[in-house]
Amino acid sequence: KQEVTQIPAALSVPEGENLVLNCSFTDSAIYNLQWFRQDPGKGLTSLLLIQSSQREQTSGRLNASLDKSSGRSTLYIAASQPGDSATYLCAVIYGNNRLAFGKGNQVVVIP
Amino acid sequence: DTAVSQTPKYLVTQMGNDKSIKCEQNLGHDTMYWYKQDSKKFLKIMFSYNNKELIINETVPNRFSPKSPDKAHLNLHINSLELGDSAVYFCASSQGLAGIEQYFGPGTRLTVT
Repeated sequence: KQEVTQIPAALSVPEGENLVLNCSFTDSAIYNLQWFRQDPGKGLTSLLLIQSSQREQTSGRLNASLDKSSGRSTLYIAASQPGDSATYLCAVIYGNNRLAFGKGNQVVVIP
Repeated sequence: DTAVSQTPKYLVTQMGNDKSIKCEQNLGHDTMYWYKQDSKKFLKIMFSYNNKELIINETVPNRFSPKSPDKAHLNLHINSLELGDSAVYFCASSQGLAGIEQYFGPGTRLTVT
């Protein structure tokens, strides 16, 4: 059974600081890994999809790395802004395109 | 021009009632999913359909019955609602089954009283 863990569960950073969010998963037999953002009371917005053959994926200020063999992914957000405040969810894609989610990193960026 | 839409957005009902949630996607995808986010914000897959065929049925009580009338629609019917069914239900879609990015709807918040 695939289990996904995200650490830390919550963090606050001052504006401008870089954010580092960690995700680990127990079974390395994954297709891909997807990072989402969820704002309070809202749906999920896909941020990045990293294919299992890739080591990293970048989109603007966001960079996600993947080390499949050790079961880890890290999401870096450069120069954080108050608008980055949200919950970030890591999900691994495996078996028939199932998504197994972590419980999220709740981020507050302090102006 | 919403990609994945769900109705209703909010649903408040009493224990024992039967209710349905509808999902539609206009992305031309062939695979649709239902996920449940519980009170602790933990998201778990419930069902998926590929080309109207049930692919994933993830140990969900049989009071929950998904129905896919066509590739663009996936509905979720819940019989005999219980307090523990209170959650946010998300619909998602993708094109294919092999590690493909999923796109989520805005969610339906179900409250059972």
